[in-house]
Amino acid sequence: QSVLTQPPSVSGAPGQRVTISCTGSSSNIGAGYDVHWYQQLPGTAPKLLIYGNSNRPSGVPDRFSGSKSGTSASLAITGLQAEDEADYYCQSYDSSLSARVFGGGTKLTVL
Amino acid sequence: QVQLQESGPGLVKPSQTLSLTCTVSGGSISSGGYYWSWIRQHPGKGLEWIGYIYYSGSTYYNPSLKSRVTISVDTSKNQFSLKLSSVTAADTAVYYCASESGYYYVYWGQGTLVTVSS
Repeated sequence: QSVLTQPPSVSGAPGQRVTISCTGSSSNIGAGYDVHWYQQLPGTAPKLLIYGNSNRPSGVPDRFSGSKSGTSASLAITGLQAEDEADYYCQSYDSSLSARVFGGGTKLTVL
Repeated sequence: QVQLQESGPGLVKPSQTLSLTCTVSGGSISSGGYYWSWIRQHPGKGLEWIGYIYYSGSTYYNPSLKSRVTISVDTSKNQFSLKLSSVTAADTAVYYCASESGYYYVYWGQGTLVTVSS
């Protein structure tokens, strides 16, 4: 059971928009800690996608965007492409656990 | 561009100590700015933070693993290492080394699968 809750799977057709939620609590996201997102393509290491809730590292397309509100955060992907098919993880810090924590991951399927 | 590469045995016997090393290239561990971290991923599962070390040697471990974890650094070799003692099958996972800045992970190694089995 992950501290940050993500839907196990989402799907969308090419060109569509999908969102992935990340729900936390008052000891992590709700406490003001930033949320970061990673993309993990099959058989590879995770790659930083969004940091500090809504910032994109250099090289990440602006089709990817992040937001945070209250005890939750969201990753939005617009103009869905086949290459976006991957697992996506949110990550934050939890003060009760004194640990960096990850969501359980969401598998994105491009139909 | 910083690159990280994990190395170590792929098979460890139960009750023994898992030992992995991460070699950093394209940057110096001693330059500061990053916390050098270990993260693992159980087969088909999510990610779990293990802990980190700063170049000065200060460490911070996940409380759930703290009693079994030791992370050390060798600045002369630009490497940092993980030791996890008293392993069981539940420690079978892909182990990643990564660099943390601002509570997020910028650079990752490719990961190495460690299986705990007799």
